[in-house]
Amino acid sequence: SAVISQKPSRDICQRGTSLTIQCQVDSQVTMMFWYRQQPGQSLTLIATANQGSEATYESGFVIDKFPISRPNLTFSTLTVSNMSPEDSSIYLCSVGDYTFGSGTRLTVV
Amino acid sequence: DAKTTQPTSMDCAEGRAANLPCNHSTISGNEYVYWYRQIHSQGPQYIIHGLKNNETNEMASLIITEDRKSSTLILPHATLRDTAVYYCIVSGGGTSYGKLTFGQGTILTVHP
Repeated sequence: SAVISQKPSRDICQRGTSLTIQCQVDSQVTMMFWYRQQPGQSLTLIATANQGSEATYESGFVIDKFPISRPNLTFSTLTVSNMSPEDSSIYLCSVGDYTFGSGTRLTVV
Repeated sequence: DAKTTQPTSMDCAEGRAANLPCNHSTISGNEYVYWYRQIHSQGPQYIIHGLKNNETNEMASLIITEDRKSSTLILPHATLRDTAVYYCIVSGGGTSYGKLTFGQGTILTVHP
């Protein structure tokens, strides 16, 4: 299975700022997925990122708030824009072979 | 994707088998049953998946009923490190490939 490196592992950010989370895979994958896990909750899919095309967002998530890049088959970024304390969550990427990254724990103050 | 129902929590003694049930009565013919676990807010760890036959790997066994409306994950000899939230997920291929809908899962506590 693929090995995923996700950065940063955690961050504390000021409200109104943006944070970009990186996800690097050790093999080429067609699709990458971004999830959010709010405190005490389960995981929710944010969007699917395909190389060479616009990301597909799930209901309740919009590109202006969570822009995603997928420049090649091994890398993707998720940006959390104009952050508020409600964005405090763990953000995770995954690939289609069942593997998840270790997550980015974001705290917005 | 079909919805799953799991008990909120379960306990298990160390060294005994842990049997985690999952109901997925609306599962369709091309949907697989996946099991993941999440230990203390780490990334989810894949355990096992199956379509209709029972499956076994080095971590666990998956028993799927003949009508496919329910399944059981079996950890044959639970250890303290198996304490985690266990998620049962039903997902199909096609446009749903790779997309996972997580429910609330079962909190499994393994005690000495």
